Amino acid sequence: GAVVSQHPSWVICKSGTSVKIECRSLDFQATTMFWYRQFPKQSLMLMATSNEGSKATYEQGVEKDKFLINHASLTLSTLTVTSAHPEDSSFYICSAALLGKIAGGQETQYFGPGTRLLVL
Amino acid sequence: AQSVTQLDSHVSVSEGTPVLLRCNYSSSYSPSLFWYVQHPNKGLQLLLKYTSAATLVKGINGFEAEFKKSETSFHLTKPSAHMSDAAEYFCVGGSNSGYALNFGKGTSLLVTP
Repeated sequence: GAVVSQHPSWVICKSGTSVKIECRSLDFQATTMFWYRQFPKQSLMLMATSNEGSKATYEQGVEKDKFLINHASLTLSTLTVTSAHPEDSSFYICSAALLGKIAGGQETQYFGPGTRLLVL
Repeated sequence: AQSVTQLDSHVSVSEGTPVLLRCNYSSSYSPSLFWYVQHPNKGLQLLLKYTSAATLVKGINGFEAEFKKSETSFHLTKPSAHMSDAAEYFCVGGSNSGYALNFGKGTSLLVTP
């Protein structure tokens, strides 16, 4: 099946530093990748949609200068949390839509295992 | 994206008994609906998806869901719970016009011996 990886799985950083999270589709090409954020005991909230070779589309309330997204290829998207603060501590999850696999008009998304960020 | 509401934040069942996790959707158009499962510290796994091909959708691990338009529901069921089914379950709505997914708040399933 389609596999999506994230690196790192865990990161602890000091307040004010920047953290980069990678999302890779390992065995397929993804037209679109998504970044979600999940607070403890809560649901996933979509942060942004990333298309290869173009600028990401951010959801309302998500600061694009704070959460930089780069989608350099059909298998890699990166999320950089710039000048991280404790309130950015969260579980960040990416997903990738499988190129060419459309079921009823809805591309199936495959999710990565997530990256837990703790900002001290 | 399709809006969904999960009616229970926590469900507790005994091992070997049926599981019912409830989800209602709200839309005037034909929806795409999914159920995902999230085990602790693990990624989301797709259990099943509805895309209007059949109202009864069979997924992995013995789970199935029935799309009921008259009730705007897409409840997830399993005849017999297993200890390994304990996890967080998300009902998710999709959009026929794009990729946007709308996650429900999740239902935490506890399976007791």
